[in-house]
Amino acid sequence: AQSVTQLGSHVSVSEGALVLLRCNYSSSVPPYLFWYVQYPNQGLQLLLKYTSAATLVKGINGFEAEFKKSETSFHLTKPSAHMSDAAEYFCAVIQTGANNLFFGTGTRLTVIP
Amino acid sequence: GAGVSQTPSNKVTEKGKYVELRCDPISGHTALYWYRQSLGQGPEFLIYFQGTGAADDSGLPNDRFFAVRPEGSVSTLKIQRTERGDSAVYLCASSLLPSGGTDTQYFGPGTRLTVL
Repeated sequence: AQSVTQLGSHVSVSEGALVLLRCNYSSSVPPYLFWYVQYPNQGLQLLLKYTSAATLVKGINGFEAEFKKSETSFHLTKPSAHMSDAAEYFCAVIQTGANNLFFGTGTRLTVIP
Repeated sequence: GAGVSQTPSNKVTEKGKYVELRCDPISGHTALYWYRQSLGQGPEFLIYFQGTGAADDSGLPNDRFFAVRPEGSVSTLKIQRTERGDSAVYLCASSLLPSGGTDTQYFGPGTRLTVL
């Protein structure tokens, strides 16, 4: 079965610093991969998704992620953190042959002024 | 346009009671999903509808959980004989087409269920 692992349940960065949130997947076949963001008291919102086209995927709010098959990774980055980026971030995968998302345990991002 | 809506936003019930949670998907979306998110965890899949039928209910934890979508739009998640362990945020999502085709799932704000 496919799964995703998010390293670091909590990440803190200074405002203006690089954001790096890690996600590794386990699959013998490259899956479809997603990053979702959950702001306090709001629903999950799609940031970006990889669907076997370009390996560097650009999303909303200046985020991007690179699919690296050799490392089975799909890390999320943003060059310069804003206070408004503080939220919970989830990496997710579509399991082979299924339609539902399988989520990681999430990473809470704190941005320090 | 209107997004996915869920009612109620909060539900407090007593152990052993029956509850119903409602989801209104985005108009025209054929696929509908229910997930459950426990504190400190990522959402976990419960059930997926394509149209009126449950195409995959492999995530339902036991037979106390049931969901319907009789007209292919609104869905109701039903929990019988609630237990304290059922306390969680129940999320609904919809997509225009089944997400096996990578169609984006749009999530509602969730219903926070607390079983006392």
